[in-house]
Amino acid sequence: NAGVTQTPKFQVLKTGQSMTLQCAQDMNHEYMSWYRQDPGMGLRLIHYSVGAGITDQGEVPNGYNVSRSTTEDFPLRLLSAAPSQTSVYFCATLAGGGTYNEQFFGPGTRLTVL
Amino acid sequence: AQSVAQPEDQVNVAEGNPLTVKCTYSVSGNPYLFWYVQYPNRGLQFLLKYITGDNLVKGSYGFEAEFNKSQTSFHLKKPSALVSDSALYFCAVRDRSGGSYIPTFGRGTSLIVHP
Repeated sequence: NAGVTQTPKFQVLKTGQSMTLQCAQDMNHEYMSWYRQDPGMGLRLIHYSVGAGITDQGEVPNGYNVSRSTTEDFPLRLLSAAPSQTSVYFCATLAGGGTYNEQFFGPGTRLTVL
Repeated sequence: AQSVAQPEDQVNVAEGNPLTVKCTYSVSGNPYLFWYVQYPNRGLQFLLKYITGDNLVKGSYGFEAEFNKSQTSFHLKKPSALVSDSALYFCAVRDRSGGSYIPTFGRGTSLIVHP
């Protein structure tokens, strides 16, 4: 099992460009989420999904869009990149069977917006 | 609402000495508590969790954590630190009575173990 995979590993964008960060999982987990990690800020939740077709906003959703058409995939779209979106982005999954389950994280995507 | 605080940005300890990384939490009801570790340029990895029962929880790589309800704390401990333990450590909390399964993370504590 590959677990949680993220592509690309690195990306440089110019201000105003759009792009999609990919996240895929092969564990059949119901819950998926996107975080951004910034120095001194820890992990901040952007969007999350409790199953295919269902998404919700987290703490910092502005400038990002998500959809969940399948259990396996949860892409994160940057609509018009801004320098403030320079960050490391992590996708995570969570098995929904038990409310006390731990999350599984992908390796991250390091994004720089010039 | 649920929140977690990690009061130390950085903890320094000599190899072989015991280490403690602090975490306090706030929830409306009772908590589920988690510790994760992040090595450089990697994603977070699960270390251990508290669900219920014994207040001392044992996890991966010799780490353990003690749940203290009266002090609303869940400090991470290890009896003898290794240089390879140097990493970023995150505490997370989820309110058992909350609707979302997604926990809230602290800001992280950088652990540096000196040879």
